[in-house]
Amino acid sequence: AQTVTQSQPEMSVQEAETVTLSCTYDTSESDYYLFWYKQPPSRQMILVIRQEAYKQQNATENRFSVNFQKAAKSFSLKISDSQLGDAAMYFCAFCDFGNEKLTFGTGTRLTIIP
Amino acid sequence: GAGVSQSPSNKVTEKGKDVELRCDPISGHTALYWYRQSLGQGLEFLIYFQGNSAPDKSGLPSDRFSAERTGGSVSTLTIQRTQQEDSAVYLCASSSRAQYDEQYFGPGTRLTVT
Repeated sequence: AQTVTQSQPEMSVQEAETVTLSCTYDTSESDYYLFWYKQPPSRQMILVIRQEAYKQQNATENRFSVNFQKAAKSFSLKISDSQLGDAAMYFCAFCDFGNEKLTFGTGTRLTIIP
Repeated sequence: GAGVSQSPSNKVTEKGKDVELRCDPISGHTALYWYRQSLGQGLEFLIYFQGNSAPDKSGLPSDRFSAERTGGSVSTLTIQRTQQEDSAVYLCASSSRAQYDEQYFGPGTRLTVT
């Protein structure tokens, strides 16, 4: 069974600074997808970024980028130029190719300090 | 252009009662997912629909839980004889094709069993 581990229950960062959220996963599959979702207090889960395992290039979306280390089964999220609106719970999630379920980590609560 | 909607937003029920939670996916989305988010936990997969069929019910925690989807659209998650451990936020998501396509989440239903 796949597992996703987020070892940082809480993180904080000064506004405009950079923060990295860590995520590791365990799988025996070779083809899979990894995701970072953001959940603000409104409870609405929002996809931040997605990475296909077969792609060596790290995904980027504006201020958000990932460091995908397939051999180490690591998938960290870097947020640059942190903004107050980035404050939320961040969940790392995994899905193997052909499966129909997302496996989530337990989340990291990110606080932005003005 | 509406997103995924869920009703009710909050539900308080007495132990032993039955509850129904509703999800309206984005129009045209064939895939629909139910997840459960308990306090301090990540999201736990419950069930997945492709059209009106549920190929994967493996996440349903007990036979008190059931779900159906009609007309390839609205889905209802039913919990019979509710227990206190059923208290959680129940999230619904839909996507246009497969799990690795972006899932659009609803705001969830917070269920409290007293």
